[in-house]
Amino acid sequence: DTAVSQTPKYLVTQMGNDKSIKCEQNLGHDTMYWYKQDSKKFLKIMFSYNNKELIINETVPNRFSPKSPDKAHLNLHINSLELGDSAVYFCASSQEGKTQYFGPGTRLLVL
Amino acid sequence: AQSVTQLGSHVSVSEGALVLLRCNYSSSVPPYLFWYVQYPNQGLQLLLKYTTGATLVKGINGFEAEFKKSETSFHLTKPSAHMSDAAEYFCAVSEGDFNKFYFGSGTKLNVKP
Repeated sequence: DTAVSQTPKYLVTQMGNDKSIKCEQNLGHDTMYWYKQDSKKFLKIMFSYNNKELIINETVPNRFSPKSPDKAHLNLHINSLELGDSAVYFCASSQEGKTQYFGPGTRLLVL
Repeated sequence: AQSVTQLGSHVSVSEGALVLLRCNYSSSVPPYLFWYVQYPNQGLQLLLKYTTGATLVKGINGFEAEFKKSETSFHLTKPSAHMSDAAEYFCAVSEGDFNKFYFGSGTKLNVKP
């Protein structure tokens, strides 16, 4: 009965590789988000999709590309990974922009 | 522009003592206000929220927060700290375009036995 789930939980990869993180929510929410949490725990929004349409696109390198195949899924693809991409990535969802519910996070380490 | 300030990146209290975590925000419109808790290696969990109505809101685990418009504050309190309260706490605010949340930098709460 997981509300917001992310896979994988941990991701260790080499610089220059391409990787994807998947997110699914079973709450019936219309909006999904990707956040990046750095080593100092600072949380910054990256993207937001509402009913499969991109509504928030913060200043993020275009190596990061979100994809929302349907309302319940929001995936994040990262090309040419760099050391600075190491962080925890959180997916979240909300209904009509109200309370956001977060996934458990994906811990990405780029070597 | 919206901003959220959490005073004190680290707060340490003794078990049984009062917990007070401070949050101030700037907003040009009536905000929605939230507190989230993050336990080690976990995601964020909603503690409580203020949208409209009563300015004193109660959340889970005995926490509460009071929205004070005149002070643009939304401080989080708990009368008696428990060891299990040790975690990172984040204040967040959203405005009319409430798809966008702004988070504070977090306060790490340490509870001493």
